This record gives sequence, C-alpha cells and structure tokens, in this order.
Amino acid sequence: DAKTTQPPSMDCAEGRAANLPCNHSTISGNEYVYWYRQIHSQGPQYIIHGLKNNETNEMASLIITEDRKSSTLILPHATLRDTAVYYCIVRGMDTGRRALTFGSGTRLQVQP
Amino acid sequence: DGGITQSPKYLFRKEGQNVTLSCEQNLNHDAMYWYRQDPGQGLRLIYYSQIVNDFQKGDIAEGYSVSREKKESFPLTVTSAQKNPTAFYLCATLAGGPVHEQFFGPGTRLTVL
Repeated sequence: DAKTTQPPSMDCAEGRAANLPCNHSTISGNEYVYWYRQIHSQGPQYIIHGLKNNETNEMASLIITEDRKSSTLILPHATLRDTAVYYCIVRGMDTGRRALTFGSGTRLQVQP
Repeated sequence: DGGITQSPKYLFRKEGQNVTLSCEQNLNHDAMYWYRQDPGQGLRLIYYSQIVNDFQKGDIAEGYSVSREKKESFPLTVTSAQKNPTAFYLCATLAGGPVHEQFFGPGTRLTVL
C-alpha cells in the first residue's frame, strides 16, 4: 500500500470548515484513499473513501486531485465533537490481508 | 444492536503473566483483526483471520497468539514473551461489499506492572 503524509496537527474554529490534507504521491491506479478518525481512547471510525472522483456523505467530503497524488478531507461545519486524530490511508482492494496501514495521522483540535 | 465487544476496557497484569483479551462480534463478518496502538502512534497489525480456523501473522506477531474457533470470537493472548506489552489493543472486523470498511471495537488498555 502507498505511503501517506499528513501534517501532525491542525486547529479549526467551531462552525468553520476543516480542510485536512494528505499527500500520497506513490498511489497506484487500483488503490483507494480512505479516511478514518479516532476520538481519544476509542476505536477508529470510518469516514469516507474514494478512488478518483470527489465523494460526499453525511460526515464529510473527499476531494482527490486529478493526478491522484493528494487529497483533502473537508468537514464542512466543524464541531467540538470533531476533535480527533484523522488518518488518511491508501489501500488496494486486492490486497490479501486487507488490513489498514495507519500512520500517525493529523490531530485536529476544534476550538470554541 | 450490532457491533464489536472488547472486554475489559482496562486490564492490569503483573510482568511474566499471560493475559487473554476478548473480542466478540455480531456483525457476521468473516475477517477479524487485532491491532496494537502505542501513545501518539498509529495502529500496527498483530494478527488477522479471514475465516474460521485460519489466521495469519501481521507485522508484529512476536509474543502474541490467537485462535479463531468461532466466527464471532477472536481472542488475543499476550504472552510473557512479549517484551513491552503495555499498549492499547483494538479488535476490528472487515465488511464485505464495495466499501471494505473496517469496524473497530472500543479497545482494551493493557498495563503490565
């Protein structure tokens, strides 16, 4: 699975959009971009995933650049409950063990 | 209410003792996983099982053992051979279908004294 690079921490004001970047310059054609988040001392939670098109669900939007070398997770109206570590993960669907490779992620602090 | 149960949430053991962490799921997922998380770090894969009665080593299997006798259960034993067992342990399952989403349990925080 391709390696990802994320900033270690970010701040965001409550009610504003949080834009979390991720670089994955070695991504290959059959690899998807996944985003998970982990609230302190809990298990990670799936947010969204995509291959090449932009995706949106009730939690967030995922914007993937045309060359697929980077992506941005957007939380449109951040709340205090969105304070968490956000992980960007690249994974191919045909990987045998299908486990996730977690880096250190971005610690998002939403400020009141 | 479907999900993954890990118990207990906090576990304390003396050095040199084996300890078993339980993981039970009622999601009817075939694949189950154990991860370890150290403070400020991401998750690392210990063992995984794609089907009953079969399991494979992950990236950091030394000092750990597992069994998969039932689809619903995937217990992890931390043996005395594990040099630094104090960590947060997470159990997960994998959903089939187009998303391949992993579902995680609440975790067990193991402290070895």
